[in-house]
Amino acid sequence: AQKITQTQPGMFVQEKEAVTLDCTYDTSDQSYGLFWYKQPSSGEMIFLIYQGSYDEQNATEGRYSLNFQKARKSANLVISASQLGDSAMYFCAVTGFQKLVFGTGTRLLVSP
Amino acid sequence: DAGVIQSPRHEVTEMGQEVTLRCKPISGHDYLFWYRQTMMRGLELLIYFNNNVPIDDSGMPEDRFSAKMPNASFSTLKIQPSEPRDSAVYFCASSPTVGAIGQPQHFGDGTRLSIL
Repeated sequence: AQKITQTQPGMFVQEKEAVTLDCTYDTSDQSYGLFWYKQPSSGEMIFLIYQGSYDEQNATEGRYSLNFQKARKSANLVISASQLGDSAMYFCAVTGFQKLVFGTGTRLLVSP
Repeated sequence: DAGVIQSPRHEVTEMGQEVTLRCKPISGHDYLFWYRQTMMRGLELLIYFNNNVPIDDSGMPEDRFSAKMPNASFSTLKIQPSEPRDSAVYFCASSPTVGAIGQPQHFGDGTRLSIL
């Protein structure tokens, strides 16, 4: 069974600063994927970034990067140059095959 | 391209009534998922389909919940009879087959269900 732990219920950051959202995972699968989703106050779930367990390089997508440390089973999301529109809930998820298991999320608030 | 389309966006109904939530996945996606999101339990996978066939329904809370996928472009989640504790946001998501592990699930905008 897979499990995701997000220990930060809330994070605050000032505009233009970088922020790291923590995620640790547990899985018995040899091959797995890690995802981050953003859920703004409007409620939709937006896919941000993906990291495969066999990918040697950390994934990046624009201002988002994933700090993947396989031995520590961590997959932290780094948002560079925060913007007001980044204020939202952020969910980390792990999948072995198709089924996604989500963490409880971290609420990020970006202040001017 | 159109994303995952869910209807209705909001549903308010009285306890005991039948509720039907609808989902149209992205064309060409072979997997369809139904999730429920509540403050207490977070995001829970209820059931998922592959090529219209239910693969895992272990997350369906009770017999009052049922889901069908009669064709590749349509799925329903039905609650009968509904109860106040079923109030939640219900999401439908779809993903393609190729490179299954690496493919993200694309979510619809959700149905906000309130049972009075």
